[in-house]
Amino acid sequence: AQKVTQAQTEISVVEKEDVTLDCVYETRDTTYYLFWYKQPPSGELVFLIRRNSFDEQNEISGRYSWNFQKSTSSFNFTITASQVVDSAVYFCALLAGNTPLVFGKGTRLSVIA
Amino acid sequence: DTGVSQNPRHKITKRGQNVTFRCDPISEHNRLYWYRQTLGQGPEFLTYFQNEAQLEKSRLLSDRFSAERPKGSFSTLEIQRTEQGDSAMYLCASSLFSEKLFFGSGTQLSVL
Repeated sequence: AQKVTQAQTEISVVEKEDVTLDCVYETRDTTYYLFWYKQPPSGELVFLIRRNSFDEQNEISGRYSWNFQKSTSSFNFTITASQVVDSAVYFCALLAGNTPLVFGKGTRLSVIA
Repeated sequence: DTGVSQNPRHKITKRGQNVTFRCDPISEHNRLYWYRQTLGQGPEFLTYFQNEAQLEKSRLLSDRFSAERPKGSFSTLEIQRTEQGDSAMYLCASSLFSEKLFFGSGTQLSVL
């Protein structure tokens, strides 16, 4: 069975601090995809990144970076120099085999000015 | 690309009533998904369609729930004899095969 664990329920940081959101996944499939979505207060899930299991290169997009480590089954997300607009719930998700996208429970990030 | 559209945004109903939600996916996407999200939880899969065929249904989808996607375009999700436990955000998403899912803003259902 596919499973995603986001151990951090809520995180609060002061603006301009860096913050890392943890994601640990479980799957027996060798081919899979990992995702991060952002859910702002408006409710719509916004796609941030998709990474396949064969590409372990870390990725950076502006203030966002992702660290994929197959050895620890983790796909962590770091926001550098956080801003108030980053306040949202962030979901990690796993797509593997023939099962639909499975989400973690999410991490609520509050960035305080 | 107008994105995934869901209607209504909010629905308040009395227990025992039937409700129907609509989802219009991104036009060229062949897959359409329904998820349910309750407070403090991640979205949970309900069902998905590839074109007009309903390919998978979750155990969460009781026999009071039915989804259709006539002609492989828009989809409807109907809940019959609503219960208070059905109160949740119902999210629709679409994708081109198993590429990234694009989500709508959801329909917030409150059953009184």
